[in-house]
Amino acid sequence: TQLLEQSPQFLSIQEGENLTVYCNSSSVFSSLQWYRQEPGEGPVLLVTVVTGGEVKKLKRLTFQFGDARKDSSLHITAAQPGDTGLYLCAGVSEGFQKLVFGTGTRLLVSP
Amino acid sequence: DAGVIQSPRHEVTEMGQEVTLRCKPISGHDYLFWYRQTMMRGLELLIYFNNNVPIDDSGMPEDRFSAKMPNASFSTLKIQPSEPRDSAVYFCASSFAGLANEQFFGPGTRLTVL
Repeated sequence: TQLLEQSPQFLSIQEGENLTVYCNSSSVFSSLQWYRQEPGEGPVLLVTVVTGGEVKKLKRLTFQFGDARKDSSLHITAAQPGDTGLYLCAGVSEGFQKLVFGTGTRLLVSP
Repeated sequence: DAGVIQSPRHEVTEMGQEVTLRCKPISGHDYLFWYRQTMMRGLELLIYFNNNVPIDDSGMPEDRFSAKMPNASFSTLKIQPSEPRDSAVYFCASSFAGLANEQFFGPGTRLTVL
């Protein structure tokens, strides 16, 4: 069974701080996505990375796909209360037949 | 255009009863996914369909769970008989042209089995 472990599980920080969330697996993925979920809603896609070593930026968010395509990270610069939510990574297996979501990182940014 | 529509939004039932959750995907999307989310187990993929055909149902917990997609605009997830451990938020999502493409999630159905 493919697993995507995220760390940390919970993160509580002050506005303006930087943070990094990790998504790790022993399996190789053909692509990896990051979603954010707010309370009472479904997850919403932030980014998709498909090439080993790829880096994508979305305003204050920086996403990186590991060279071996087994792991990914999400870095937030100068966090804001609006960044609060559950962050989920999701990997698609090579061969494109399996999809698995990570264990999730719950982020709270206080003013 | 409307997003993914799920009904009901909330369901409270007693153990042993049959529960049916419904989903209307975004028009034109050819993939449909059913997920279950709990605090303990996170977001779990139960089953997904491509062009109305079930492709991977390895996440379906047991025979009490079944899912159907009779046409491109409608799917159901049925639990019979329901048990308290089935209490969770169930999400339906749809996407176009592949697992690696963006999934659009519905608002979810919060199921409570007493």
